[in-house]
Amino acid sequence: EADIYQTPRYLVIGTGKKITLECSQTMGHDKMYWYQQDPGMELHLIHYSYGVNSTEKGDLSSESTVSRIRTEHFPLTLESARPSHTSQYLCASSESGGSYEQYFGPGTRLTVT
Amino acid sequence: GENVEQHPSTLSVQEGDSAVIKCTYSDSASNYFPWYKQELGKRPQLIIDIRSNVGEKKDQRIAVTLNKTAKHFSLHITETQPEDSAVYFCAASRAGGGNKLTFGTGTQLKVEL
Repeated sequence: EADIYQTPRYLVIGTGKKITLECSQTMGHDKMYWYQQDPGMELHLIHYSYGVNSTEKGDLSSESTVSRIRTEHFPLTLESARPSHTSQYLCASSESGGSYEQYFGPGTRLTVT
Repeated sequence: GENVEQHPSTLSVQEGDSAVIKCTYSDSASNYFPWYKQELGKRPQLIIDIRSNVGEKKDQRIAVTLNKTAKHFSLHITETQPEDSAVYFCAASRAGGGNKLTFGTGTQLKVEL
C-alpha cells in the first residue's frame, strides 16, 4: 500500500547525541517536507525538497540537516541533540503537477534529556 | 512571506450544532487553501481544500468558503458529531511556491454530547 513511513516513532535520547530520523514514501512523490510540531500546536516547515539532490531550508530555522539521495527517502539528522529539540517531527510528501495535497507520515516524537 | 492567522483557538459545540473556523492570509499570490484535521496522536489529514478560482466547495457536512478580496477563508462543519472532535489547521500555498504550505495555529474543536 502506498504510504509514507517514519522511524522511529518514539525516541528518547541524551544531550549531545547524533540522531537521524528516517522518512520513506512509496507514493512516487517528488516533493518531500519536514515539519516540527509541538503537541496540538502549529506545524512549522523546517526543510523541503523538490527532488533528488534538492534540499532547502524552511521557514523555521533549525539546526537539523537533510539529504535527498533517493526519491523515496528523506532523512533528517541532528548532529548534537539538545533539550530544545524535543518535539514531534512530521514528514510529508506531495506530487509534482496539479495536486497540492500533502500526505503526512505518522511522526517521530523526540525527547532529548 | 505568507502569514496565516486562525480563529478561534478553541471551539466547543453541542452535538448537532454547526462549527465555523476562520482564517486570514497575507499573501495575495496564495491560490490554494487546504484544511487538515489532526486527531489526538495521529497524523494530519486533508479534509477539504479550495483553489482561488472557486468561492465555495462542499463535501457532505463540510464546506469551505473563500473571499479573495478580503483574503480570508472559512471551514464550516454542519451537524457536528463527537468524531469531529480534533485539531483543525488551515493553510495557504502560493503558485510557484513548490507546494509549500504555511499553516495556521490550529483550532481545538470539541463536540459535546
